[in-house]
Amino acid sequence: AQSVAQPEDQVNVAEGNPLTVKCTYSVSGNPYLFWYVQYPNRGLQFLLKYITGDNLVKGSYGFEAEFNKSQTSFHLKKPSALVSDSALYFCAVRASWGNDYKLSFGAGTTVTVRA
Amino acid sequence: GAGVSQSPRYKVAKRGQDVALRCDPISGHVSLFWYQQALGQGPEFLTYFQNEAQLDKSGLPSDRFFAERPEGSVSTLKIQRTQQEDSAVYLCASSLGDTGPYGYTFGSGTRLTVV
Repeated sequence: AQSVAQPEDQVNVAEGNPLTVKCTYSVSGNPYLFWYVQYPNRGLQFLLKYITGDNLVKGSYGFEAEFNKSQTSFHLKKPSALVSDSALYFCAVRASWGNDYKLSFGAGTTVTVRA
Repeated sequence: GAGVSQSPRYKVAKRGQDVALRCDPISGHVSLFWYQQALGQGPEFLTYFQNEAQLDKSGLPSDRFFAERPEGSVSTLKIQRTQQEDSAVYLCASSLGDTGPYGYTFGSGTRLTVV
């Protein structure tokens, strides 16, 4: 079975400071990893994904994530957070092989960026 | 269309009523997924279609839940005899394919409240 853990329910940072949202995963074989962001009363918006290749993935709105296979982690980062980054963030995983195509999501991390 | 469209955006049902939720995926997208998102939690997989074939319905919580995609495009999630525990946001996602590392585009969801 595949699963994702987001160990922090909430992350609070000051505007302009670095932002990190943690994610660890469990899956058979190599993973496909995703980060999504959700604003109130909205669906999930895609930020970035890791498929293969470079461990550092760059995505939308200045976000990036680092894939670490030995630690089975895929932490989301932003060098300088904005107030508008305040939202709910989800990490998701699926196996890169086999016939199980669904994404499995973590419980989410609420990010609050204070001015 | 340009995105995944879901209707209605909000639905209030009396306990015991049947409801039907519609998903209109991105044109040409082969894969379609339904997820259930309870308040404050991550999305949970319900079911998956590849064109008109329902390949995985392992996440449907009971036989009151039924999904179809008869022509391989629009999908309907039907919940019979709604219960209070069915209150959640129902998200639909579509993807160009399933065997490759394609992204998943989510709709804005239908918020179902059972009273």
